[in-house]
Amino acid sequence: AQKVTQAQTEISVVEKEDVTLDCVYETRDTTYYLFWYKQPPSGELVFLIRRNSFDEQNEISGRYSWNFQKSTSSFNFTITASQVVDSAVYFCALSEADRGSTLGRLYFGRGTQLTVWP
Amino acid sequence: GAGVSQSPRYKVAKRGQDVALRCDPISGHVSLFWYQQALGQGPEFLTYFQNEAQLDKSGLPSDRFFAERPEGSVSTLKIQRTQQEDSAVYLCASSLNRGPSQPQHFGDGTRLSIL
Repeated sequence: AQKVTQAQTEISVVEKEDVTLDCVYETRDTTYYLFWYKQPPSGELVFLIRRNSFDEQNEISGRYSWNFQKSTSSFNFTITASQVVDSAVYFCALSEADRGSTLGRLYFGRGTQLTVWP
Repeated sequence: GAGVSQSPRYKVAKRGQDVALRCDPISGHVSLFWYQQALGQGPEFLTYFQNEAQLDKSGLPSDRFFAERPEGSVSTLKIQRTQQEDSAVYLCASSLNRGPSQPQHFGDGTRLSIL
């Protein structure tokens, strides 16, 4: 079973629109970490944010914000006032931390291709 | 540079040939991971090293895949008797310490095409 589901395969928006990328995860571990990575056309995965399972406080960093809700097992990512440079594939990932888990191993979703048009 | 470096950037091989992919992690990083990314998919875990010890190789798809990190720094992923389904981007990542909370820093990947 897929541990991380990103149901949106592709999203297209026009510059300055807000856009939310959805991520739903599944784990039996009580301690885990969630990540978002950005993959531009160059191919390198760029780390954006990490949250742990005990901290449900939402976070804002400039135009980026993240909404973590354990009750719905979701960790959604919103870009406010999108820009052309935001065009990339965005991946949500899960790392499990309970005993027996391979510490650090990332389970990725399939990614969401975001295209921002000028 | 200061990032994770992978070589070659592109590799084309004929079916049945052996290939070797290299990863230079960020200096001092203890943990090193290899992932395989098929076209249009997310990266899939292959194997994990803590220093020179290979602690998890459960993601390697077959015994044709072999990885090593003999001195706890540079790592090599070797694929023997390549097959067309091995075509993918192979990503290497490193993190400073062991542990699930550490952000992984990724290289640009090696795009492998098997003809």
